[in-house]
Amino acid sequence: GESVGLHLPTLSVQEGDNSIINCAYSNSASDYFIWYKQESGKGPQFIIDIRSNMDKRQGQRVTVLLNKTVKHLSLQIAATQPGDSAVYFCAEKSSGDKLTFGTGTRLAVRP
Amino acid sequence: GAGVSQSPSNKVTEKGKDVELRCDPISGHTALYWYRQSLGQGLEFLIYFQGNSAPDKSGLPSDRFSAERTGGSVSTLTIQRTQQEDSAVYLCASSLVSFNQPQHFGDGTRLSIL
Repeated sequence: GESVGLHLPTLSVQEGDNSIINCAYSNSASDYFIWYKQESGKGPQFIIDIRSNMDKRQGQRVTVLLNKTVKHLSLQIAATQPGDSAVYFCAEKSSGDKLTFGTGTRLAVRP
Repeated sequence: GAGVSQSPSNKVTEKGKDVELRCDPISGHTALYWYRQSLGQGLEFLIYFQGNSAPDKSGLPSDRFSAERTGGSVSTLTIQRTQQEDSAVYLCASSLVSFNQPQHFGDGTRLSIL
């Protein structure tokens, strides 16, 4: 079946550096993607989304890139801060309107 | 503003008991979703409600699981005859409209089956 996965299960970065979290998807018909941040004991928090008719979208300190040719999605966080430490999930809108989530990447920010 | 609210935040019960989990979506959101998250795992879709349409129950793992949404707002997820493998965090999300809108999540109910 279709799936969404992540290349790196954990990522450790120095405070102030940029972070890049990657995600591969396999459903070429997917038309909508979302990145979520989940802190311990909390529900996933919406960060940014992108539709398949776009290649790039920017938010505050975050950028999502979509490469439909290789079915790859990435989240870039500029000037990573300790508060960015969390698990990050990519999600793909699959059949109907439900989301298919990857297993997550843990981002650890070193002071 | 008020986000998605779930109750209880924690629930501990004995194997074989029934449990009810509640979700109050964001006001005005027509779509409501239930997911399950096991420890250290991603989210597993359970069920989806959109307006007055028949719910998409394709993710429910067994007939012990059911959900309803009354008046197009509050939803209740019921697990009958709970098993230890039902232990997980149950997350509810809502969205304004279903087509390409982000889902906004509550903080979940942590369910522990003894």
